Amino acid sequence: EAEVAQSPRYKITEKSQAVAFWCDPISGHATLYWYRQILGQGPELLVQFQDESVVDDSQLPKDRFSAERLKGVDSTLKIQPAELGDSAMYLCASSLYPGDEQFFGPGTRLTVL
Amino acid sequence: KQEVTQIPAALSVPEGENLVLNCSFTDSAIYNLQWFRQDPGKGLTSLLLIQSSQREQTSGRLNASLDKSSGRSTLYIAASQPGDSATYLCAAWDTGFQKLVFGTGTRLLVSP
Repeated sequence: EAEVAQSPRYKITEKSQAVAFWCDPISGHATLYWYRQILGQGPELLVQFQDESVVDDSQLPKDRFSAERLKGVDSTLKIQPAELGDSAMYLCASSLYPGDEQFFGPGTRLTVL
Repeated sequence: KQEVTQIPAALSVPEGENLVLNCSFTDSAIYNLQWFRQDPGKGLTSLLLIQSSQREQTSGRLNASLDKSSGRSTLYIAASQPGDSATYLCAAWDTGFQKLVFGTGTRLLVSP
């Protein structure tokens, strides 16, 4: 069964360091999403891609976060420099088109010390 | 701004009981509504997707309903099992903002 892949599963870093997360969506899914989930809350959208183009990054802290999907397939989310408040679960999801059923990866648990 | 609320925040039931989880949304301009399950420390698993034109969807012991006019959706779980213990999240695809808006979830514990 097709799945969304994410790596790493866990990341511990010190504040001011750079971190990067990788996501490989389900094959054929044109829409890719990055979410951040704080413990006890629902996921919040950081950035949405349609193929290689960003269609929504209104909630992405652009002074420290960046995201790319160069060939319209896999994607990387980067934080530089990391801050204590960035500790959270970072989830990647994909769908055939915007508004279609979304499928999530296992997530990356980030801890910033 | 679309807001999604889930009540109760936590629920504890004995095995075998039928139960209902509630989800409400403030703006009826939704394209669809999706129910997810999340185990501790894991990603989200899609359970059911209801299109705005549909009233309900069923998958095994799960049945989800949607009433756009009242801004409500329910997830019915029949004959609950300990393996159903997880957090259940609902999310509405907001037509205006073109994104999925999540509730904070209901944490379910089914005891043997």
